[in-house]
Amino acid sequence: DGGITQSPKYLFRKEGQNVTLSCEQNLNHDAMYWYRQDPGQGLRLIYYSQIVNDFQKGDIAEGYSVSREKKESFPLTVTSAQKNPTAFYLCASSMGGAGYQPVMNTEAFFGQGTRLTVV
Amino acid sequence: QKEVEQNSGPLSVPEGAIASLNCTYSDRGSQSFFWYRQYSGKSPELIMFIYSNGDKEDGRFTAQLNKASQYVSLLIRDSQPSDSATYLCAVKGGATNKLIFGTGTLLAVQP
Repeated sequence: DGGITQSPKYLFRKEGQNVTLSCEQNLNHDAMYWYRQDPGQGLRLIYYSQIVNDFQKGDIAEGYSVSREKKESFPLTVTSAQKNPTAFYLCASSMGGAGYQPVMNTEAFFGQGTRLTVV
Repeated sequence: QKEVEQNSGPLSVPEGAIASLNCTYSDRGSQSFFWYRQYSGKSPELIMFIYSNGDKEDGRFTAQLNKASQYVSLLIRDSQPSDSATYLCAVKGGATNKLIFGTGTLLAVQP
């Protein structure tokens, strides 16, 4: 089955520790996104990538890092520099990377999310 | 000014009524517009997408787009208690082609 998979579903981080959230898709999508959602809030864009080996900062990139070495994978590392990492993290993918035309069929599909808690 | 704005609600409607959800966006170069539904603790799921000015209907849902006014809306006819969720407006395209979400509107359908 085609889809987008995030792991783990729940993750606990100690103070000062780096953790990596996994996101894998087999939809052959060029574009991938990472969002953070706090309770009762919308989705805020952390990083996005429109093509392999390229990515751009979103609105809240500080304290996070990503890589895009393969089309299928877009892992997110929450570093110790992120002072308030407790949140629900969502990964998404879509067609419509850089230079993609036309605009149709560019809807994004989400993984099931990772809930990160600092202990 | 936020890139994508929605009224956070809650929007309360009686069962069987029409629910109207609204969204405005700031980037005039935006090309693709989406509505997602999110139940508490779950990831968002796509309900509707629209690219051209006018209305697009799919079952009980109608998306409306007005690019001149930078406005997109979602109408839900015959609202059901199972429609109670947060509805997220998302906009893509423009200079960066990134996908930006609004803060969402919480809809409560009263039986």
